[in-house]
Amino acid sequence: DAGVIQSPRHEVTEMGQEVTLRCKPISGHDYLFWYRQTMMRGLELLIYFNNNVPIDDSGMPEDRFSAKMPNASFSTLKIQPSEPRDSAVYFCASSPDRSYGYTFGSGTRLTVV
Amino acid sequence: DQQVKQNSPSLSVQEGRISILNCDYTNSMFDYFLWYKKYPAEGPTFLISISSIKDKNEDGRFTVFLNKSAKHLSLHIVPSQPGDSAVYFCAATEGGSNYKLTFGKGTLLTVNP
Repeated sequence: DAGVIQSPRHEVTEMGQEVTLRCKPISGHDYLFWYRQTMMRGLELLIYFNNNVPIDDSGMPEDRFSAKMPNASFSTLKIQPSEPRDSAVYFCASSPDRSYGYTFGSGTRLTVV
Repeated sequence: DQQVKQNSPSLSVQEGRISILNCDYTNSMFDYFLWYKKYPAEGPTFLISISSIKDKNEDGRFTVFLNKSAKHLSLHIVPSQPGDSAVYFCAATEGGSNYKLTFGKGTLLTVNP
């Protein structure tokens, strides 16, 4: 089992550009979560999916952020246009059930200059 | 408004001694609690959990205690080892169909040889 796979590991982009972060969850995990980690706010939930359907997107900061899960093995988080304040580490996690906790990917460190 | 609080940003202990990490929460709807460990440049990894129907759960060197009346939980590591040096996150989730985790900001544990 390769775990939750995120790409890219690092992304540096200019303000105003579109950024797409990718995630492959663990096979058989019905839940997928996108978190953002910053020094100020810690780990905050952006959105989560159950069986590819978005369940709670109340943490998505604004309309510049969007997330999709076209199938059980792939999800994207898109920021368009990106701003310097979006700089953070973005984690994807998956879970079969909340009692098992989440399995996190290694994260994508995004820097917007 | 932080619903899960880890008031100690850092903790330093000697190898072989006990490490106690604390966590407080404000949401009385939380009924399941988890601890995660995070090494630099990696995602958080699940460590141990406890349901609100219990007041203690043990797994090897790790024990989590829950005091519901005080809305407080703690993680005990005995004996502490240098490899335990990491950031520890407390997390909580509500009952029912809500599967999202709310995280504290973390405590950096340093175990000195």
